Amino acid sequence: QQQVKQSPQSLIVQKGGISIINCAYENTAFDYFPWYQQFPGKGPALLIAIRPDVSEKKEGRFTISFNKSAKQFSLHIMDSQPGDSATYFCAASAGYSSASKIIFGSGTRLSIRP
Amino acid sequence: DSGVTQTPKHLITATGQRVTLRCSPRSGDLSVYWYQQSLDQGLQFLIQYYNGEERAKGNILERFSAQQFPDLHSELNLSSLELGDSALYFCASSVDPAGGPSDTQYFGPGTRLTVL
Repeated sequence: QQQVKQSPQSLIVQKGGISIINCAYENTAFDYFPWYQQFPGKGPALLIAIRPDVSEKKEGRFTISFNKSAKQFSLHIMDSQPGDSATYFCAASAGYSSASKIIFGSGTRLSIRP
Repeated sequence: DSGVTQTPKHLITATGQRVTLRCSPRSGDLSVYWYQQSLDQGLQFLIQYYNGEERAKGNILERFSAQQFPDLHSELNLSSLELGDSALYFCASSVDPAGGPSDTQYFGPGTRLTVL
């Protein structure tokens, strides 16, 4: 019940295309859903995050779509660029708890072809 | 640069040995998290400390231990090392330990541990 399932494991998208990464969870107590971006040799960095009171959040070319009833959320990267090539992790946590801990998905390795 | 520092960057050691990984959180962050990243296990949460006290525990082996010191830096101790412990170990820090609006975790560059 603590898992966050992420797909696909790897993704190749042409430059200018839309990259879509999906995640699903089971724990209905989760109320904070961040996406982290990790470049080779670097630590993960927060990209964008959403809370379940909204169904969509957009920041530049990055959009999170959230479906509370289906317990699914996804990351859309519009107009994908070679610089977006990285590993993306979705995550979830039950916030506002003194023992809050983030559960990460297994990661998606995204490659953008020029 | 996230502001979180980790040393050493690389560590090569033998099975059965003990190592200590060090992390300095961002200035002002009271919470420190440790993660293990391996090819087959993804990013696994190990343990969290807040202002010197253990706050949450994840998939941390009994051979591993951590602590956070009064100056807020943290150390992860790995003992009786096995080949399978080879991985990237990340430290992250955040201001708010309770998952509030400032829950963003800032990750350090990691320590790559190789056990031979």
